[in-house]
Amino acid sequence: GAGVSQSPSNKVTEKGKDVELRCDPISGHTALYWYRQSLGQGLEFLIYFQGNSAPDKSGLPSDRFSAERTGGSVSTLTIQRTQQEDSAVYLCASSFEGGDTGELFFGEGSRLTVL
Amino acid sequence: GENVEQHPSTLSVQEGDSAVIKCTYSDSASNYFPWYKQELGKRPQLIIDIRSNVGEKKDQRIAVTLNKTAKHFSLHITETQPEDSAVYFCAAPRAGSYQLTFGKGTKLSVIP
Repeated sequence: GAGVSQSPSNKVTEKGKDVELRCDPISGHTALYWYRQSLGQGLEFLIYFQGNSAPDKSGLPSDRFSAERTGGSVSTLTIQRTQQEDSAVYLCASSFEGGDTGELFFGEGSRLTVL
Repeated sequence: GENVEQHPSTLSVQEGDSAVIKCTYSDSASNYFPWYKQELGKRPQLIIDIRSNVGEKKDQRIAVTLNKTAKHFSLHITETQPEDSAVYFCAAPRAGSYQLTFGKGTKLSVIP
């Protein structure tokens, strides 16, 4: 596709349920980030994938959060046993980090609401 | 890792006035400094960036300045318009990496 695609765009779930959020980066982009953005807040870094390197998971807030990136392309962010404080917009971004610029291209985000 | 501080957190200006947002970074080896704009309900998008081999870069009404000695860079918006109202984020990479660390953002309101 032409841009970063995220699904679902909206997800409403009940406390305690697991959710999976998907990100399709721009083809050829080697780097992929997940961020969380609560209402009116900044970009909270969650995880960073770069090529075949071990991901930087330092931003994951708890062991309920995990992410994987299969085949260097699609990524899935999984939140287990969701809590109300997990409600936020989850943004994915990708970039090509081989040239002169590391510009990030963001997806539209997945809005998660935990009831 | 890199630490990026951004100020102010909110900024209100009259239409036509200038706005300045400042960021400091901790890693002296950082060499790339982008600014992203996020309009309400939309995704962040790159608006301008600067590399460490130059001190200033302009694009129409926006400019970015870099002071490597002091480890700070600033976004300048002149002749502000209502459509400039948004949240602006600065960022800097870790040394030896493209991985970006973002500032906490500045909410700019341009009052007509």
